[in-house]
Amino acid sequence: GNSVTQMEGPVTLSEEAFLTINCTYTATGYPSLFWYVQYPGEGLQLLLKATKADDKGSNKGFEATYRKETTSFHLEKGSVQVSDSAVYFCALSGDYGGATNKLIFGTGTLLAVQP
Amino acid sequence: DGGITQSPKYLFRKEGQNVTLSCEQNLNHDAMYWYRQDPGQGLRLIYYSQIVNDFQKGDIAEGYSVSREKKESFPLTVTSAQKNPTAFYLCASSMGQNWSPLHFGNGTRLTVT
Repeated sequence: GNSVTQMEGPVTLSEEAFLTINCTYTATGYPSLFWYVQYPGEGLQLLLKATKADDKGSNKGFEATYRKETTSFHLEKGSVQVSDSAVYFCALSGDYGGATNKLIFGTGTLLAVQP
Repeated sequence: DGGITQSPKYLFRKEGQNVTLSCEQNLNHDAMYWYRQDPGQGLRLIYYSQIVNDFQKGDIAEGYSVSREKKESFPLTVTSAQKNPTAFYLCASSMGQNWSPLHFGNGTRLTVT
């Protein structure tokens, strides 16, 4: 079945450093891919998404490109800030073609940015 | 503003008691979901509902029950049959297509002792 693997954390960076959080997936067909962010004590917020191969999702300086040839959707940001400290989840749609979007989530990667 | 409201934020229960977690949305979304989050395990799907009066089991439905009597509401009951109920529970909704993102509430942290 469909699955998502993302790099384990924590990832600790200094402010203004470059960020990469790796995400790879296994899926049949053409799922949509998502990155969500979770701040302490809160629910998940959609950060960005891509619905087909070679699409690039972007938001708040974060980017990720849907790479079908490498089954990857790595999250990048050129210059992180302390306020980016959170847990990041990669997810893919597990029931495409259906009437719901039962997302399959990775285990999450904690990012800690130090001033 | 539209959104999803989960209440309460923190809930404490004694072992052997059933407890119901509330989830309300005013986004006019057809689909609603319950996920459970445990440290190091990401999110796991408990139940989901595509339309009113219909719901399906997710990956870890044992020990849980739901109802969907209104479009806006999707309460989750954690029964005494759930062996490890202490967790962070997240409710979500979506427009219902497989490409549509999920919108999450802020979660309920349930502690059972």
